[in-house]
Amino acid sequence: EVQLVQSGAEVKKPGESLKISCKGSGYSFNSNWIGWVRQMPGKGLEWMGIIYPGDSDTRYSPSFQGQVTISADKSVSTAYLQWSSLKASDTAMYYCARQRYSYGYIDYWGQGTLVTVSS
Amino acid sequence: QSALTQPPSVSGSAGQSVTISCTGTSSDVGSYNRVSWYQQPPGTAPKLMIYEVSNRPSGVPDRFSGSKSGNTASLTISGLQAEDEADYYCSSYTSSSTWVFGGGTKLTVL
Repeated sequence: EVQLVQSGAEVKKPGESLKISCKGSGYSFNSNWIGWVRQMPGKGLEWMGIIYPGDSDTRYSPSFQGQVTISADKSVSTAYLQWSSLKASDTAMYYCARQRYSYGYIDYWGQGTLVTVSS
Repeated sequence: QSALTQPPSVSGSAGQSVTISCTGTSSDVGSYNRVSWYQQPPGTAPKLMIYEVSNRPSGVPDRFSGSKSGNTASLTISGLQAEDEADYYCSSYTSSSTWVFGGGTKLTVL
């Protein structure tokens, strides 16, 4: 059974750094693209970017390029989403998701990680 | 890249049909068949309903169907049921080798 299990909710202050994780199991982690989707409170889904763990090829939405870093560690089948300096506007639910690149769709989603940034 | 354009809300009575549109550009919806639709009930992760414009994953009722014409994709739900009430999002591959979502449509079953 394919599973994506995300790290728990975080409460941080503006300016702090953060790295959240997404562990994949039940499939070949190295040979499937995995990405991140943001959902701000009461708002829609926003595609942030994806990574191919096999060779770390990474694609970012122009809206998120330079704002976050997506990475993956093949040895532990885990993808990461990282901020160097959080802003209040980063408060959102973040979903990791397996993206079937050739077919264009997301077939599995993590349970979501709620990030709250507040002074 | 801008979000794909969806109507903020649609509604229909139980048993009726509704169609949700998703308008993009020649750089996304108009050029690729990698258009998918997701259902998101409140407080839950999204669920894939349609992929590659018109294909249904196993387990999705055949009441859900998808199509595309030019720069606009559509999701049609026939025989509306109360359980269909949710937010729906379209998504498309883009010429920048990235993906983009629509703004989302809230479906209300009257």
